[in-house]
Amino acid sequence: ELKVEQNPLFLSMQEGKNYTIYCNYSTTSDRLYWYRQDPGKSLESLFVLLSNGAVKQEGRLMASLDTKARLSTLHITAAVHDLSATYFCAVDSNSGGYQKVTFGIGTKLQVIP
Amino acid sequence: DAGVIQSPRHEVTEMGQEVTLRCKPISGHNSLFWYRQTMMRGLELLIYFNNNVPIDDSGMPEDRFSAKMPNASFSTLKIQPSEPRDSAVYFCASSPRGTGWYEQYFGPGTRLTVT
Repeated sequence: ELKVEQNPLFLSMQEGKNYTIYCNYSTTSDRLYWYRQDPGKSLESLFVLLSNGAVKQEGRLMASLDTKARLSTLHITAAVHDLSATYFCAVDSNSGGYQKVTFGIGTKLQVIP
Repeated sequence: DAGVIQSPRHEVTEMGQEVTLRCKPISGHNSLFWYRQTMMRGLELLIYFNNNVPIDDSGMPEDRFSAKMPNASFSTLKIQPSEPRDSAVYFCASSPRGTGWYEQYFGPGTRLTVT
């Protein structure tokens, strides 16, 4: 069974600082997704990483994928308050011939002005 | 496109009552997912459909839960009878898996409270 672990689970950081969220997974996969969820809202797709070495950037967020290490990172550069949200990674795996997506438990990010 | 549509947005019911949650996926998407989110258990996949066929229902907690997808534009998740521990936010998501992109698009969710 695929396990997806995120750390840290909670992150409080000051505006302007840099930080990285880590996502480890337990079985082979070459598709990884990052989602954002604002409090009381739904999940919104941020990045889709489809191959080893993939790197995607959007504003102050940059995601990368290392399939050999089974690790993805979400790097936050010069954080701003608007980035406060919960971030989820999700990994595809093959289950009985069908793709199945497993979500991590989420990292709650609080950016303090 | 209007995105994934869920109804109702909020539901409050008494224990023992039947609850039906509804979902309209994005047109053209051929995969549909039902999730449950709670503080204690996080985001759990309950069931997913591909081309209206249930593929994996291993996440459905027990026989009180059932899901159907009678056509490509509509799905229901039913709880009968409901219990207080079913209180959660239920999300429906759809995905255009046929294109090779498996990104999921989530609906706004239904907040269910069972008293």
